[in-house]
Amino acid sequence: GIQVEQSPPDLILQEGANSTLRCNFSDSVNNLQWFHQNPWGQLINLFYIPSGTKQNGRLSATTVATERYSLLYISSSQTTDSGVYFCAVVFGNAGNMLTFGGGTRLMVKP
Amino acid sequence: IAGITQAPTSQILAAGRRMTLRCTQDMRHNAMYWYRQDLGLGLRLIHYSNTAGTTGKGEVPDGYSVSRANTDDFPLTLASAVPSQTSVYFCASSRDARNTEAFFGQGTRLTVV
Repeated sequence: GIQVEQSPPDLILQEGANSTLRCNFSDSVNNLQWFHQNPWGQLINLFYIPSGTKQNGRLSATTVATERYSLLYISSSQTTDSGVYFCAVVFGNAGNMLTFGGGTRLMVKP
Repeated sequence: IAGITQAPTSQILAAGRRMTLRCTQDMRHNAMYWYRQDLGLGLRLIHYSNTAGTTGKGEVPDGYSVSRANTDDFPLTLASAVPSQTSVYFCASSRDARNTEAFFGQGTRLTVV
């Protein structure tokens, strides 16, 4: 079936370390977004990236739509980066419904 | 600050009671959505509206209804709450129904007892 899989499910980093989060999806997509859910539950938009590469400060993302994956890079991690990172896609035949992956839970230790 | 406002922030509700969760956006977005997030899981779509006056069912619509009388407001109603509707509810909006970025409200934490 249609799936969005994220890896790793959990990640613990020391402050200052770099990391790569991965999102695999099972079909062609019209939309792909990365979100950060902070410890207070707020969903913060990181990237809208159905294809290509974008950068915003210490974060960058790359989506290779033909190979059905996206990567989120976090460099020089900070404790405020802690939380859950979600990848969400709109599949080509799914109207405008965002399908979320299971998330990567990140803890950055000081 | 432009964005999406949800109310209430949290609510404890007796089973069988009726409840309406409110959502207002001031970005003049055409499309609006309601999602639920259960503990430790990603979000699932309940209902959506591509434009004022229209609504559609998402992945988990049973037990919920919505209306879209105008562009800004998209209330979600639980006609007779059940414990399985305990969840965090997020309202979202996007400029158009397809291929545009979605933005989320702060969420409503609902507990049905």
